[in-house]
Amino acid sequence: DTEVTQTPKHLVMGMTNKKSLKCEQHMGHRAMYWYKQKAKKPPELMFVYSYEKLSINESVPSRFSPECPNSSLLNLHLHALQPEDSALYLCASSQDRETGLATNEKLFFGSGTQLSVL
Amino acid sequence: AQSVTQLDSQVPVFEEAPVELRCNYSSSVSVYLFWYVQYPNQGLQLLLKYLSGSTLVKGINGFEAEFNKSQTSFHLRKPSVHISDTAEYFCAVSLSSGSARQLTFGSGTQLTVLP
Repeated sequence: DTEVTQTPKHLVMGMTNKKSLKCEQHMGHRAMYWYKQKAKKPPELMFVYSYEKLSINESVPSRFSPECPNSSLLNLHLHALQPEDSALYLCASSQDRETGLATNEKLFFGSGTQLSVL
Repeated sequence: AQSVTQLDSQVPVFEEAPVELRCNYSSSVSVYLFWYVQYPNQGLQLLLKYLSGSTLVKGINGFEAEFNKSQTSFHLRKPSVHISDTAEYFCAVSLSSGSARQLTFGSGTQLTVLP
C-alpha cells in the first residue's frame, strides 16, 4: 500500500461550520504534512508532524487546527473559515522526519480535499 | 533563501512532439532539485530528482531533466509526449539539508498535449 488517502474529496461549508479533513497512510511513515493549494498555484506548506508531534506551523491562522491521533492518521479541524480559505488541501507523508527528502525518500501526496467556504 | 522560476505558465504541444519545460533556480548554497506532476484532481507525484552525481536524471513516464549548475537550470524534457502527459508540472528546490520545510515550489507549468 503506497497511498495517502484523504477524505472527503469535496467539502462545502459555511463560515460558521466546524468540519474536519482526514488523512491516512499505512506505509509506516513518521512524518505527515498539510499543504494548501490555491487554483493554478503551487502548494504551500501549513503544518508538519514528525513522530506524531507538531514540528512546523507555518504561521497558519488558529481557525485551522491540526491533530495527529496516531502515526497513521492526520486530521485538520476547520472552524470559522473565510471564503479565501477555499482551496485544495493536500496531505503528504514521508518515511522519517522531515529531513528525508535528500536520500531515497520522497513525499507521497494524497489526492486532496477540495474545500469551498461559502 | 532559495527561489524557483518556471518561465512558462502554459505550454501547448502536439502529440508525439518533443517538449521542454524550463526551470531556473536561485540559491547561495547547494540544493536538491525536483520535478513533480499534478494531474487534474490529484495530488502531486514525484517525476524525478537531482541530489548529486550525474547531471542527467531520468524519471518516470519517459521524462528526464538535466542539471546545469553554471546556468542554474533544471529543465524537464520528453522526446515524444502523449495526451496523458497533460498536467501541471512543478519544479521544486530544497536546501541540501533535505528538509520539507525548505522545499520551495515554482509557480507551475500547465502542459497541454493536443491531438
